[in-house]
Amino acid sequence: EVQLEESGGGLIHPGWSLRLSCVASGFNFGDFAMYWVRQIPGKGLQWVSGITSNADTIEYAASVRGRFIISRDNSMNSIYLQMNDLRADDTARYYCSKGRNPGDLFGGVFGSWGLGTLVTVSS
Amino acid sequence: DVQMTQSPSTLSASIGDRVTITCRASESISIWLAWYQVKPGKAPKLLIHKASNLESEVPSRFSGSGSGREFTLTISSLQPDDFATYFCQQSNVSPWTFGQGTQVEV
Repeated sequence: EVQLEESGGGLIHPGWSLRLSCVASGFNFGDFAMYWVRQIPGKGLQWVSGITSNADTIEYAASVRGRFIISRDNSMNSIYLQMNDLRADDTARYYCSKGRNPGDLFGGVFGSWGLGTLVTVSS
Repeated sequence: DVQMTQSPSTLSASIGDRVTITCRASESISIWLAWYQVKPGKAPKLLIHKASNLESEVPSRFSGSGSGREFTLTISSLQPDDFATYFCQQSNVSPWTFGQGTQVEV
């Protein structure tokens, strides 16, 4: 069974930094692209960032490019999201997601998700 | 970016009803369209990918159709477990974008 467990969320001041982690199990982690997707409370879903299986290709949504950094450690079955210069509009539940199909490219389909970790940016 | 527009935003329905949700893309995305179910406190769930391909273990009362710019998600006979918010998402091109969601309520 695929399991994804996010951690690292919390209440943080504007301008500060936070690092999210996601530990995966139940599948061959190194074979899949991984993503971060967020949901603003009571609102819609927004893709944040993605990293291919071997980390050769990384992409970001325009709203976080230059502030967020995604990375992965295949030996630890984990991905990370370093979030810098946080803003109030970054407040959201952040979900880790596994690409639907194996391979070293992005498929853009979010096959499995974790429960998410809540990030609140407020002074 | 490809804009995804869902309708309706909220849908009131009863058990056994046939429910249809529409999703429109701002440009052609061929069949690169996925549907997700989101419930409070639960992990979002992929229901359908490539417009009409049902994920394993998703009940057959769910179906998807469409191509190009117009897509639909249909629940043939609404069950208690189906009350949730549904999102469409285009997987044709990055940035991958979602519709604003349709809340299915009693």
